[in-house]
Amino acid sequence: EDQVTQSPEALRLQEGESSSLNCSYTVSGLRGLFWYRQDPGKGPEFLFTLYSAGEEKEKERLKATLTKKESFLHITAPKPEDSATYLCAVQITSGTYKYIFGTGTRLKVLA
Amino acid sequence: EPEVTQTPSHQVTQMGQEVILRCVPISNHLYFYWYRQILGQKVEFLVSFYNNEISEKSEIFDDQFSVERPDGSNFTLKIRSTKLEDSAMYFCASRVTSGKYHEQFFGPGTRLTVL
Repeated sequence: EDQVTQSPEALRLQEGESSSLNCSYTVSGLRGLFWYRQDPGKGPEFLFTLYSAGEEKEKERLKATLTKKESFLHITAPKPEDSATYLCAVQITSGTYKYIFGTGTRLKVLA
Repeated sequence: EPEVTQTPSHQVTQMGQEVILRCVPISNHLYFYWYRQILGQKVEFLVSFYNNEISEKSEIFDDQFSVERPDGSNFTLKIRSTKLEDSAMYFCASRVTSGKYHEQFFGPGTRLTVL
């Protein structure tokens, strides 16, 4: 069965304290892996797409990386406004591009 | 910047009533999706829609659910007879047709409360 697991479930950081969020996946075939940010009561906001192992993407304080079994979202020197839930989703090679989501990591950055 | 919009933002209904959730996808997108998120749980796929027909649906998407693209802009999800367990956030998403770009863009969601 295709599965996506994110860890940790929740993370509290001090402002400026860098860390990484993990998304591990077991799927029949990976078409793409996606990172989203979700604020409370809002829809997921697209951050990154990764397609192949070794690929990296960066945006401001965020950097996403991909291996054959997992992806990391690195947060460098976070600010309180980075507080949100970060969602990982995968698309498998069969089917119609639906997403399989992980449960997310709730990030809280303290000032 | 183009975005997916959804109405209403919050819908309260009585158990057994029909509800229609509305979405306006990004204008040049041709693949459409509905997902739901029960409070505190993960986002779950419901259905995908392309070329005026359902292309894939999950086990959740039973006979009580239907989707429609009644005109060139709207995409709707109908729940025929709501149950308490249908209470959730419902997200619409859309995607461009280019084979290179697979990311989906999500609307702000409709919070459905079934009493």
